[in-house]
Amino acid sequence: AQSVAQPEDQVNVAEGNPLTVKCTYSVSGNPYLFWYVQYPNRGLQFLLKYITGDNLVKGSYGFEAEFNKSQTSFHLKKPSALVSDSALYFCAVREGSNSGYALNFGKGTSLLVTP
Amino acid sequence: DAMVIQNPRYQVTQFGKPVTLSCSQTLNHNVMYWYQQKSSQAPKLLFHYYDKDFNNEADTPDNFQSRRPNTSFCFLDIRSPGLGDAAMYLCATSRDLIRYNEQFFGPGTRLTVL
Repeated sequence: AQSVAQPEDQVNVAEGNPLTVKCTYSVSGNPYLFWYVQYPNRGLQFLLKYITGDNLVKGSYGFEAEFNKSQTSFHLKKPSALVSDSALYFCAVREGSNSGYALNFGKGTSLLVTP
Repeated sequence: DAMVIQNPRYQVTQFGKPVTLSCSQTLNHNVMYWYQQKSSQAPKLLFHYYDKDFNNEADTPDNFQSRRPNTSFCFLDIRSPGLGDAAMYLCATSRDLIRYNEQFFGPGTRLTVL
């Protein structure tokens, strides 16, 4: 079975400070990992993905994530947070290229960036 | 701009009264998905279409059906909505299932069951 865990329900950070939103995963094969952001009453927006290659993935709006196989983690990071980054962030995983195509989402982490 | 459109944004129905939610896309993607997202929970995949091939998740209730009459449109039919079906329903698309598999989501339809 494949799953992701987002250990923090909420992350608070001051504007201009670096931010990290944590995600760990569990799959039996090679993981495909994704980060999505959801603003209130809106659908999810794709930020970035890791399938293979460079462990550091750069995505939209200045976000990046680092794939760490030994720690089975895929933490989302941004060097300097903006108030407009405040939203709900979902990590998702699917296993490799077969055995189903469902994305398994974490429960989400609410990011609050204060001025 | 290419996009995923969902109509209506808000839908109110009565217990047991059939309801249809609509999704359309201008991305010309092969795959369309329907997710259910209940309050404060992660989205849960109900089913997806790869072109005309329908794929139902094992735990999706029979009460939920879907139609994809052409590449651009996909419908979610709830035959007899129960109170537990009140949720946000998200439509998503992807170019394919493997290499270009990032999903693009519509704004969602919030369903209320009275």
